[in-house]
Amino acid sequence: DVKVTQSSRYLVKRTGEKVFLECVQDMDHENMFWYRQDPGLGLRLIYFSYDVKMKEKGDIPEGYSVSREKKERFSLILESASTNQTSMYLCASSLPQGGTDTQYFGPGTRLTVL
Amino acid sequence: AQSVTQPDIHITVSEGASLELRCNYSYGATPYLFWYVQSPGQGLQLLLKYFSGDTLVQGIKGFEAEFKRSQSSFNLRKPSVHWSDAAEYFCAVGEGSGGSYIPTFGRGTSLIVHP
Repeated sequence: DVKVTQSSRYLVKRTGEKVFLECVQDMDHENMFWYRQDPGLGLRLIYFSYDVKMKEKGDIPEGYSVSREKKERFSLILESASTNQTSMYLCASSLPQGGTDTQYFGPGTRLTVL
Repeated sequence: AQSVTQPDIHITVSEGASLELRCNYSYGATPYLFWYVQSPGQGLQLLLKYFSGDTLVQGIKGFEAEFKRSQSSFNLRKPSVHWSDAAEYFCAVGEGSGGSYIPTFGRGTSLIVHP
């Protein structure tokens, strides 16, 4: 089974702190994604990566950056956390299959910024 | 640009009753369509997907979905709902891009199951 793990299930940080969210997948997938999930808004794509050291902006990249130094690991960075970044963050990975790719999701990190 | 609409925010059904969750998409070409389920406290899991061929797609957990091009719909159905089906359901449409697939998700439908 594909396994996507996220470093924390719950995280509480203070405004202005630098926050790292880590995601690791064990299936050698090329693609990795970071989403945020908010009630009534569904999933919104923050960043994705289709190869090591490659990254592309999603729909809401402002206030976030990412890092992919190894194929299995994709990190989301909040340079200076703000209260409007309180949310559920979901990581996913997939194998490129010409558009029919299945995404495999981690359990999510619920981040609260005070 | 592609988009997905799930018109129902919440659906309440009794255990044993049939279920239909609606999904409408906007996309120029033949879409790749997906349904995912998110159980409480968990990530999303693929239920089923459509990309070509038979328009009635079978998935896991007894779910099926039908692609109707004329109505731009991909509704999810289950003939008899179990209490464990209570979850959030997301429809997604994918657009191929150089071999990778960047999906657009709907806002989700929350399913409540009454005993």
